[in-house]
Amino acid sequence: KNQVEQSPQSLIILEGKNCTLQCNYTVSPFSNLRWYKQDTGRGPVSLTIMTFSENTKSNGRYTATLDADTKQSSLHITASQLSDSASYICVVSEGRGGSYIPTFGRGTSLIVHP
Amino acid sequence: DTAVSQTPKYLVTQMGNDKSIKCEQNLGHDTMYWYKQDSKKFLKIMFSYNNKELIINETVPNRFSPKSPDKAHLNLHINSLELGDSAVYFCASSQGERSARGAFFGQGTRLTVV
Repeated sequence: KNQVEQSPQSLIILEGKNCTLQCNYTVSPFSNLRWYKQDTGRGPVSLTIMTFSENTKSNGRYTATLDADTKQSSLHITASQLSDSASYICVVSEGRGGSYIPTFGRGTSLIVHP
Repeated sequence: DTAVSQTPKYLVTQMGNDKSIKCEQNLGHDTMYWYKQDSKKFLKIMFSYNNKELIINETVPNRFSPKSPDKAHLNLHINSLELGDSAVYFCASSQGERSARGAFFGQGTRLTVV
């Protein structure tokens, strides 16, 4: 059964600090891995996408890494801001019959305090 | 100028009723989706349509019937609502399934069945 596990479940940091969120998956056959940011009461917004051959991707202060051998990904946030407070969701898609079926993690709830 | 819009935003209804949620996107995307987010914040894909054709149906009960009158619209009709259908339903769209920009999500429709 495909699974995506994220840790920690929640995280509180001070503004300006860095943090790293983890994602482990057992999705097969692997197609791609995305990180989404979901603000409270809103739909998710895509931050990064990586395929099998990519091991790092940046989007501003967000940097995602992928180790396809160990099936792990991380999302590093640099110099956190109050607006980074949100849920961060790891999504791993399997390729199946020409389509891509996503499996979502439960998300890491990040709170940035001033 | 809303990219993906869903209506209504909130829906409270009694068990056994039939209801519809509408979704429209003005991004010119060819692929649209419905997702369900349960009380534990897990997102799961329900349906995916590409150019008005159903390409993913992830073991969703027959009571749920998506309708895509054109590429810009994907409506969700739910018959005989049950308590377990209470959740937030997100519509999304993308250009192809492997869009590097990911899917654009609507604001969600919070459905409460009483």
